[in-house]
Amino acid sequence: QKEVEQDPGPLSVPEGAIVSLNCTYSNSAFQYFMWYRQYSRKGPELLMYTYSSGNKEDGRFTAQVDKSSKYISLFIRDSQPSDSATYLCASPSTGRRALTFGSGTRLQVQP
Amino acid sequence: DGGITQSPKYLFRKEGQNVTLSCEQNLNHDAMYWYRQDPGQGLRLIYYSQIVNDFQKGDIAEGYSVSREKKESFPLTVTSAQKNPTAFYLCASRTGTGASYEQYFGPGTRLTVT
Repeated sequence: QKEVEQDPGPLSVPEGAIVSLNCTYSNSAFQYFMWYRQYSRKGPELLMYTYSSGNKEDGRFTAQVDKSSKYISLFIRDSQPSDSATYLCASPSTGRRALTFGSGTRLQVQP
Repeated sequence: DGGITQSPKYLFRKEGQNVTLSCEQNLNHDAMYWYRQDPGQGLRLIYYSQIVNDFQKGDIAEGYSVSREKKESFPLTVTSAQKNPTAFYLCASRTGTGASYEQYFGPGTRLTVT
């Protein structure tokens, strides 16, 4: 079982929709989670990070962690065509100071 | 501007040739990383270095080599022993202080081997 799993999509939504992107993780020791956004043929950029359970909001983006179900989510409100990208969730790897990434979900926001 | 630079952006090589990918950072970060990304897949860790003159293998180190002679630089060599080298290669760095895990990425190098 992969340590971090993510539905690859693609996910296509109309402009203005609320988007929900999700990951599951297997290691209950994970406490720190990150979301990266990657535009086509570019390096990933850090979008949000969150520590332990609960929500963290930043503008149109909300990151949510549910440790009881080992589920992390990223919500995008009022989605825009510029949000079209691949979204990667990540968590610190077990036993080393590196990150384990999900496979990424490709999002397409239609104008 | 602080950041991570990778060069070149596109690289083409013939099978059997070694090739070195450059990664430089001016963020004063201690740790640096190399990842490989294949279409439809996430990032897989090749090598990482927490400090100058020290580095560790990641999950897919076979066929790759690295050096860390300077804090700012972490070049990756893709050797002829790497069976499927065509991929998008990403370099990242992280500050070594505190409990921060956030990594910051360069723009990537797309390597094509024919």
